[in-house]
Amino acid sequence: RKEVEQDPGPFNVPEGATVAFNCTYSNSASQSFFWYRQDCRKEPKLLMSVYSSGNEDGRFTAQLNRASQYISLLIRDSKLSDSATYLCVVRDGQNFVFGPGTRLSVLP
Amino acid sequence: ETGVTQTPRHLVMGMTNKKSLKCEQHLGHNAMYWYKQSAKKPLELMFVYSLEERVENNSVPSRFSPECPNSSHLFLHLHTLQPEDSALYLCASSQDRGRSQPQHFGDGTRLSIL
Repeated sequence: RKEVEQDPGPFNVPEGATVAFNCTYSNSASQSFFWYRQDCRKEPKLLMSVYSSGNEDGRFTAQLNRASQYISLLIRDSKLSDSATYLCVVRDGQNFVFGPGTRLSVLP
Repeated sequence: ETGVTQTPRHLVMGMTNKKSLKCEQHLGHNAMYWYKQSAKKPLELMFVYSLEERVENNSVPSRFSPECPNSSHLFLHLHTLQPEDSALYLCASSQDRGRSQPQHFGDGTRLSIL
């Protein structure tokens, strides 16, 4: 089993849609969790950290379920500029384990 | 964001050349990382340095040689590379003591081996 798994994608959604990404991780000792976005041929950029109580940043909501070892990202009112690959990242000490990413295309 | 700077941005080299990639971070972090990302593939961790000590080497071929002279600088020395080494090489840094802190990435060096 891979350490971090994500929805395989790609997700093709119309502008204004709500889309949810799922991520599961295998190491129950993992300490912190993040969502990054990566545009084509660019570096990953931090989108948001994921806190135990769940957190929201504008149109983006992240949830963490430690018991199920599950992380989610919800994007509301999708914009064309949200098109990217979304990476789920799990930190265990010095190690950052990246999921394979889920590609999102928001269509006009 | 200019917190992590990588040079050069693009590099084309022959298989017999020797070159170095440079990474510098201005965030006061104490851990630095090299990743490789081939086209349409996930990130592959290559090396991790914490407090200037190498703490991870993910079975990387010896034609890649990292160097971390201080906590702000990281190099990747390249020698006798193969065409399959063509990829985006990303440097990242993090604060090791703050286990809830994320990584910050440089823009990457796009490497092409002829």
